[in-house]
Amino acid sequence: AQTVTQSQPEMSVQEAETVTLSCTYDTSENNYYLFWYKQPPSRQMILVIRQEAYKQQNATENRFSVNFQKAAKSFSLKISDSQLGDTAMYFCAFIHSQGAQKLVFGQGTRLTINP
Amino acid sequence: KAGVTQTPRYLIKTRGQQVTLSCSPISGHRSVSWYQQTPGQGLQFLFEYFSETQRNKGNFPGRFSGRQFSNSRSEMNVSTLELGDSALYLCASSLPSQTNYGYTFGSGTRLTVV
Repeated sequence: AQTVTQSQPEMSVQEAETVTLSCTYDTSENNYYLFWYKQPPSRQMILVIRQEAYKQQNATENRFSVNFQKAAKSFSLKISDSQLGDTAMYFCAFIHSQGAQKLVFGQGTRLTINP
Repeated sequence: KAGVTQTPRYLIKTRGQQVTLSCSPISGHRSVSWYQQTPGQGLQFLFEYFSETQRNKGNFPGRFSGRQFSNSRSEMNVSTLELGDSALYLCASSLPSQTNYGYTFGSGTRLTVV
């Protein structure tokens, strides 16, 4: 079965702190891509960061970085120097390189950044 | 450039009616996917269209259908609405060769069935 599990339904941190969101996934395929999407109250899903499963190097995008552990099927997101604008729902997702092109999403983590 | 545009943003329908939602992808994007988002089931894949052809379909009943036009705009239709169809319906587009780079999503259509 293809599943994504986000074990933290809600998280809350103070502005400027660092926060890590957890994600584990299950797939029998070897080639896939992993994503973190952010969904603010505006409802639009915004791509935060992307990781290719065949790359060992962890992806980074400014204040956002991932810890990708392929053997453990773990893909956590670290947000450094958190800002009020980071408040949103965060979804972990993957897509296979071949076959059906569909994103499989986790249930999401509601992140609140407090001033 | 313009993003993915979904219309309408909000919709209220009565049980048993049918509804059509519209999605205009980013210019040049020929792959369009639809997702249903509910508090209980989360985000679930409905279907994907490319060049006016449905390439993939999720596990939804036949009441859910879609189509894509020659300009890549897509519509999804839900017939005989049920209360459980109340959800946020998200459309996403991508260049067909770059779906692995992630999709660009619209802001969704919030459908309420009463």
